[in-house]
Amino acid sequence: KQEVTQIPAALSVPEGENLVLNCSFTDSAIYNLQWFRQDPGKGLTSLLLIQSSQREQTSGRLNASLDKSSGRSTLYIAASQPGDSATYLCAVESGGSYIPTFGRGTSLIVHP
Amino acid sequence: EAGVAQSPRYKIIEKRQSVAFWCNPISGHATLYWYQQILGQGPKLLIQFQNNGVVDDSQLPKDRFSAERLKGVDSTLKIQPAKLEDSAVYLCASSALARGITEKLFFGSGTQLSVL
Repeated sequence: KQEVTQIPAALSVPEGENLVLNCSFTDSAIYNLQWFRQDPGKGLTSLLLIQSSQREQTSGRLNASLDKSSGRSTLYIAASQPGDSATYLCAVESGGSYIPTFGRGTSLIVHP
Repeated sequence: EAGVAQSPRYKIIEKRQSVAFWCNPISGHATLYWYQQILGQGPKLLIQFQNNGVVDDSQLPKDRFSAERLKGVDSTLKIQPAKLEDSAVYLCASSALARGITEKLFFGSGTQLSVL
């Protein structure tokens, strides 16, 4: 059974810092990995999708890397802004049924 | 492009009552998911449909939860009877996934259920 762990559980940083959020998974036979953002009381918004054959994806100030062999992914946020404050979740798709399994998320606060 | 629509937005019921949630996925998306998210936790998959067939429902408490997706479009999730521990946000998501082609998941805003 796939298990996904995210570290740290919470993070509070001043504006302008570069951040790294971590995601690890137990079964490396994945199809893809997605990073999501969730604002309070809202649904999830997909930020980046990394296919199993890819090493990284970039969108604006966000960069996500994938190392399947070690079962890890990192989300790098450059020059953080207060608007980046949210919970960030990663999900890996694996198994015969292509089931997306989520971690618990990292709650990020960027203060001015 | 319209997003994933869910209703109601909020629901408060007493334990042992029944409740139903509705989801309309993005047009053309073959795969539909229902997730349960308890406060402070990540979403947990309850059931996954591809078109109108069930792909996985291994974590659905079938003694009280049921779901259907008629004609491969809209879906409803029902709880009967509800328990206190069912208090959570119920999220619907859809993707254009066809086996072997991975796509982004698109989520609705969710239904926040409180069972008193």
